[in-house]
Formats: sequence, structure tokens, C-alpha cells
Amino acid sequence: AQSVSQHNHHVILSEAASLELGCNYSYGGTVNLFWYVQYPGQHLQLLLKYFSGDPLVKGIKGFEAEFIKSKFSFNLRKPSVQWSDTAEYFCAVIQGDTGRRALTFGSGTRLQVQP
Amino acid sequence: EPEVTQTPSHQVTQMGQEVILRCVPISNHLYFYWYRQILGQKVEFLVSFYNNEISEKSEIFDDQFSVERPDGSNFTLKIRSTKLEDSAMYFCASSGGTSGFRTDTQYFGPGTRLTVL
Repeated sequence: AQSVSQHNHHVILSEAASLELGCNYSYGGTVNLFWYVQYPGQHLQLLLKYFSGDPLVKGIKGFEAEFIKSKFSFNLRKPSVQWSDTAEYFCAVIQGDTGRRALTFGSGTRLQVQP
Repeated sequence: EPEVTQTPSHQVTQMGQEVILRCVPISNHLYFYWYRQILGQKVEFLVSFYNNEISEKSEIFDDQFSVERPDGSNFTLKIRSTKLEDSAMYFCASSGGTSGFRTDTQYFGPGTRLTVL
């Protein structure tokens, strides 16, 4: 079974610092990749997704992610975080060549941005 | 912006009781899903539903669970005889299904926190 690893469980940054959250997956075939965010008290929202084409994907609120197939990675980045980015971030994967729709999630990274 | 809604937000039940969790997916969506997150653990897929039948399910989704779309708007998850280990946050999601599975985005509801005593 495929798995998704997010190695940073809790990240604390000051405003304006740069952010990179790691995500690695185990599936060797075609993948569709997602980053979801959950702000305090809110539901999971899609930040960005990759399904094909340019491996550098831009999402909402200034976030981007880079798919590196050789490293089985899809790291999330933001050049300058804001206090409002405080949230939990989830990487998720779909096995893109199977017709399956089930998302496999990582364990999440809690980001705390200090003003 | 259309949203997935879920009721109730918190459900407390006794072990062995049946519970029904309700979801209203986004109105023109065709695929519906349930996920759950036990406290401190990952969000896990339970089941997907399309065209009035289960299209995919995980090994967690055993005979104790069932799903139904009783009318044109609701999508329900029933747990027949709850166990302590069913305590979790249950998320409903829906997706359009029209752009092909590879590009489909799943939109999540706010979740129902189920506590089994």
C-alpha cells in the first residue's frame, strides 16, 4: 500500500520567514499530488494540486510546490509566511494510473507563525 | 462559494448504538466520499460513492459501516454498532467527476466529531 510521509510535524516560524514543508510518497506509478490546508476551526481546503505538466505548481495565497519524480517528493514552499498562514498542512496522493479516487494523506504539519 | 456541509458537528453515543452522520455534498457533484481522522492520526479514506453505489472502499469500511444517498441532496454514513475505536472526526467530501479522475478536486466538509462512550 502506498504511504505519504511528512517529516515535519510542527514548524514554528517568524513572519516573513521562508517556508518549506516536506512530503514524500511511496507509490512508483503515476501520481496526482495535493496539498490541503486546515485553518483553525475550518475545514480542509485545497491549496494546490499537480496532475501533469510543469512540475512547479502554483496555488493560492502565494504557495507553490515542486514535484520531483526521482525523489518521490512534492514539497510545499512559500517565500514569506504571514501570521494568517498558521494552520495544519496535509500532503495527499492519488494513484493516478489506477482509476482510484481515494486520497492517501500524510500525517500533517502544524505550522505556527509568530508575529 | 458552494460548500459541503455536515451535521451534526459533534455526536456523542454509547458503545453499541447506531449512529448516522449526514452530509450535503456540493449540488452538482457526482462523487461522494467519507474519510475519518482518529485523534493524533492521519486522515484515512473510508469509502467513495458514485451513481448510487460504492465505487471504492478501504479495509476499514467493514460490515458495520454503510452509506446511502437517500434523496437528491443528502449522503449518509451509518455505523451500526459503534465501538470505542470508532471515536474520530468524520469528514465528508465531494467532487465533480466531470473532468476525469486525474484532475478531480475533492471538497471537504467541516467534519463530525464522533465520541463513543
